[in-house]
Amino acid sequence: GAVVSQHPSWVICKSGTSVKIECRSLDFQATTMFWYRQFPKQSLMLMATSNEGSKATYEQGVEKDKFLINHASLTLSTLTVTSAHPEDSSFYICSARDRDRGQYFGPGTRLTVT
Amino acid sequence: GENVEQHPSTLSVQEGDSAVIKCTYSDSASNYFPWYKQELGKGPQLIIDIRSNVGEKKDQRIAVTLNKTAKHFSLHITETQPEDSAVYFCAARKNNAGNMLTFGGGTRLMVKP
Repeated sequence: GAVVSQHPSWVICKSGTSVKIECRSLDFQATTMFWYRQFPKQSLMLMATSNEGSKATYEQGVEKDKFLINHASLTLSTLTVTSAHPEDSSFYICSARDRDRGQYFGPGTRLTVT
Repeated sequence: GENVEQHPSTLSVQEGDSAVIKCTYSDSASNYFPWYKQELGKGPQLIIDIRSNVGEKKDQRIAVTLNKTAKHFSLHITETQPEDSAVYFCAARKNNAGNMLTFGGGTRLMVKP
């Protein structure tokens, strides 16, 4: 149990375009979902926390107009990177928390902006 | 806010030996401490967690100990195998709905065959 999927697993896009990443909890309802960014050989950086049906809470320094988060249901959250630039290239990982407060991570999405 | 320190940053052991990774946390209100294993190019996988009402938890070759007074917790892997090679992250959190995990910096474990 407690499986989180992410799609796509990798994406290459051109500078200036937008990219949407989906995160789904497959076998549980996630009251809260989180989006992280990870640079090579570094720890996870929390970008935002979202609860189903409400606006996401962004961490300091994260542009909410650039990283749009939609938590449409208890099993789906999306992250849209708008007007992507090469510096947005990174590994993006979502996470979902179940009722027992365990937190489970998706497999990650590697974004490369050319 | 919470601050989690993790040591060592890299650890190399011989297959069959034990590996120990240590973390300290700053917020005495934290009461949930998970450990994650992250393989290259993949998301972190929860391998074991401990809540503050217990001092030790074991799952086969993996064990976690918690010292609430000293505010530190450790991951112990016995009889290490090459497939244990990965980056391990500790984390801490207050176990309320709105709180998020604070991660340690990670430990790169290499198990030599």
